[in-house]
Amino acid sequence: GQQLNQSPQSMFIQEGEDVSMNCTSSSIFNTWLWYKQDPGEGPVLLIALYKAGELTSNGRLTAQFGITRKDSFLNISASIPSDVGIYFCGYGGSQGNLIFGKGTKLSVKP
Amino acid sequence: DGGITQSPKYLFRKEGQNVTLSCEQNLNHDAMYWYRQDPGQGLRLIYYSQIVNDFQKGDIAEGYSVSREKKESFPLTVTSAQKNPTAFYLCASSRLAGPYNEQFFGPGTRLTVL
Repeated sequence: GQQLNQSPQSMFIQEGEDVSMNCTSSSIFNTWLWYKQDPGEGPVLLIALYKAGELTSNGRLTAQFGITRKDSFLNISASIPSDVGIYFCGYGGSQGNLIFGKGTKLSVKP
Repeated sequence: DGGITQSPKYLFRKEGQNVTLSCEQNLNHDAMYWYRQDPGQGLRLIYYSQIVNDFQKGDIAEGYSVSREKKESFPLTVTSAQKNPTAFYLCASSRLAGPYNEQFFGPGTRLTVL
């Protein structure tokens, strides 16, 4: 299948900092989706992107569908403690399923 | 409230036993999916179903079985043939029309084989 690289693998945040993460692929996609998963829970859809160049916001979250259709990034502004969790990017597979990256784990700086 | 429920939240099984994980949705979605999640990994597709009485294998179907007798329900059986069943199992559903890649997930079942 297509290679989906998500980075960074993990990062530490201090309250109030801005956070950025991205996904890249060797293939062109028609969809980019960003999910957040809290420990022991199912992923929750944050933002869905369907058009190259599209920039979409959801509160403090902003995501963009890269113009080449091979990448996407997610920014979180002014982070708060409840932002911790694992963020997954994903694209729509041919079976209607989702194919996910391995996730970016967000933790609070000790 | 509309949503997806999975039960139980935690499940323990002895080696050699089959176990069935429940997934129910009241979103009137046509499609339902089962994923497996291992630590540090993304989600991998086990089985999916787009219509009642029909389902398809995903990437890691070996050792698992499903049924779709009702639109609302998509139970997953982890059989004794599954060599490494300890994992977090997630059920999801979506519409078939429109942006059906927007899937809604249940809270998950954590299965531990003793």
